[in-house]
Amino acid sequence: AQKITQTQPGMFVQEKEAVTLDCTYDTSDPSYGLFWYKQPSSGEMIFLIYQGSYDQQNATEGRYSLNFQKARKSANLVISASQLGDSAMYFCAMREPNTGGGNKLTFGTGTQLKVEL
Amino acid sequence: DARVTQTPRHKVTEMGQEVTMRCQPILGHNTVFWYRQTMMQGLELLAYFRNRAPLDDSGMPKDRFSAEMPDATLATLKIQPSEPRDSAVYFCASGLAVYNEQFFGPGTRLTVL
Repeated sequence: AQKITQTQPGMFVQEKEAVTLDCTYDTSDPSYGLFWYKQPSSGEMIFLIYQGSYDQQNATEGRYSLNFQKARKSANLVISASQLGDSAMYFCAMREPNTGGGNKLTFGTGTQLKVEL
Repeated sequence: DARVTQTPRHKVTEMGQEVTMRCQPILGHNTVFWYRQTMMQGLELLAYFRNRAPLDDSGMPKDRFSAEMPDATLATLKIQPSEPRDSAVYFCASGLAVYNEQFFGPGTRLTVL
């Protein structure tokens, strides 16, 4: 079963508009973390935002915010005031609890975002 | 500006050859991860280390892949013998066990002919 599901293979948004990228997850452990990474065409993976399962408030980082709905097991990324430079692949990921320590991430299949003029 | 470095950035080799990819984690990070990214499979975790000890390499084909950390500043991923299906981008990432973010290197793009 998929642990991280991103149902939107591609999205288009007009410059300066807001866009929401969907992510749902599956875990039975009460302690987990959710991440969003951006991968531009150059290939590097850029960390955007993190939400812990016990965090009471939605995470925000500049123009990025994470709409965390725990009961629905969703962690959607909201990008406000889109810019041309936001065009990239976006990955949702979940940190799985690991008794051995460290962080093991499981990634979704990604959403390709294209920002248009 | 601390970064994860990976060498080589690109590698083209012929089937059957040995390939070694290297990663220098960010100084002070004690967890290191190897990922493989392909169009078909997306991002897959191959192996990861904590304090240089392998914690999980279940994602790695054991017959041809091996991962090691000879010291805290170097992680290696070796493929022997390489096959065309190994063609992918291989990412190394490092982090602190008590924190949550993983910092990714630029990746090694491997092409096996």
